Amino acid sequence: GAVVSQHPSRVICKSGTSVKIECRSLDFQATTMFWYRQFPKQSLMLMATSNEGSKATYEQGVEKDKFLINHASLTLSTLTVTSAHPEDSSFYICSVGGSGANVLTFGAGSRLTVL
Amino acid sequence: GQQVMQIPQYQHVQEGEDFTTYCNSSTTLSNIQWYKQRPGGHPVFLIQLVKSGEVKKQKRLTFQFGEAKKNSSLHITATQTTDVGTYFCAGHYGQNFVFGPGTRLSVLP
Repeated sequence: GAVVSQHPSRVICKSGTSVKIECRSLDFQATTMFWYRQFPKQSLMLMATSNEGSKATYEQGVEKDKFLINHASLTLSTLTVTSAHPEDSSFYICSVGGSGANVLTFGAGSRLTVL
Repeated sequence: GQQVMQIPQYQHVQEGEDFTTYCNSSTTLSNIQWYKQRPGGHPVFLIQLVKSGEVKKQKRLTFQFGEAKKNSSLHITATQTTDVGTYFCAGHYGQNFVFGPGTRLSVLP
């Protein structure tokens, strides 16, 4: 299966700052990547589908201006949490599941804490 | 929209006891997948079920897909402390995956 690297694993930032999270597909050309958010002891909620070379598709209720997604190459997607607030503190996980790959391979996740 | 329900939410078992989690979809699925997330970790793929009525086994784990392709179960025989974690089913609808809320398993030694 695919190997997915996510960075950083943990980040603490002040309220109002922006944080960028990177998701790399190391051995698979990912035309599609998925970004999930997971609050403590809850399930994974799909935030958006990142499409290489085009705009991301956001799920209902997810602010696209707040959660900026860029998928500039087949191996890298980034999620930027802009003007982060404490309520944005969560576990953000990316996954890869491109064409022909029916299984989701997850990155290790990024735990964001906004003070 | 598609909804995936999962029960129980929590399960505490004594080591050696069996464990089952059930997953139910509001609509027919293309396939269903199961993932395990250890505490502090990320979800890891366990298995995919595609065919109606399919049963698959992985050592002590048995996965079933219902005849109507709307429900599934994961059964663990003789649990071990290494089985601790949250088990998620994920319904695959076309291009979308919808995760169930998960069942958190605790195994007491």
